[in-house]
Amino acid sequence: ELKVEQNPLFLSMQEGKNYTIYCNYSTTSDRLYWYRQDPGKSLESLFVLLSNGAVKQEGRLMASLDTKARLSTLHITAAVHDLSATYFCAVGSMDSNYQLIWGAGTKLIIKP
Amino acid sequence: DSGVTQTPKHLITATGQRVTLRCSPRSGDLSVYWYQQSLDQGLQFLIQYYNGEERAKGNILERFSAQQFPDLHSELNLSSLELGDSALYFCASSHPLAGPNTGELFFGEGSRLTVL
Repeated sequence: ELKVEQNPLFLSMQEGKNYTIYCNYSTTSDRLYWYRQDPGKSLESLFVLLSNGAVKQEGRLMASLDTKARLSTLHITAAVHDLSATYFCAVGSMDSNYQLIWGAGTKLIIKP
Repeated sequence: DSGVTQTPKHLITATGQRVTLRCSPRSGDLSVYWYQQSLDQGLQFLIQYYNGEERAKGNILERFSAQQFPDLHSELNLSSLELGDSALYFCASSHPLAGPNTGELFFGEGSRLTVL
């Protein structure tokens, strides 16, 4: 059974700092997605990672995928308040019949 | 704008009642997914339809049912409502992972259900 673990689940940080959110999964996967959700709002797709070693960057966010380690990271560089949100990773795998299995989400608060 | 449309945006009802939530997927997407998100909680997958057929079931209660119609819009029916059913209900749509399609889900704005 595919399991997805995100850590930390909660992160409070100062503007200007760097930090990384981790997404570990338990079985072989061929795709991983990162989403952002503002409080009470919809989920917005951030990154799609479909191969080992894939790295995607958008502004201050960078996501990477290591399928051998079964690990994806979402790195935040020089955080700004506008990046405060909850970040979810989701993993698809043959083991889950290609259904996306979601992490619990990381609630990120960036203080000015 | 993801292209996925959900109605109503907000709904307040009483325990024991029945409601219907509606979703129109992005143009061309054959898959529709329903998720439940309670306050400050993660996403709970309820059910998926693909081109009118049920494809996968998650933690969907027997009081809940869904269907996808020939025009690909979907409805989620919630009956005998309880206080604990208060949540955001999201619909998402996708193309299958193939060719140029990445398999990512595109989410609607959600329907916020409050059961009093």
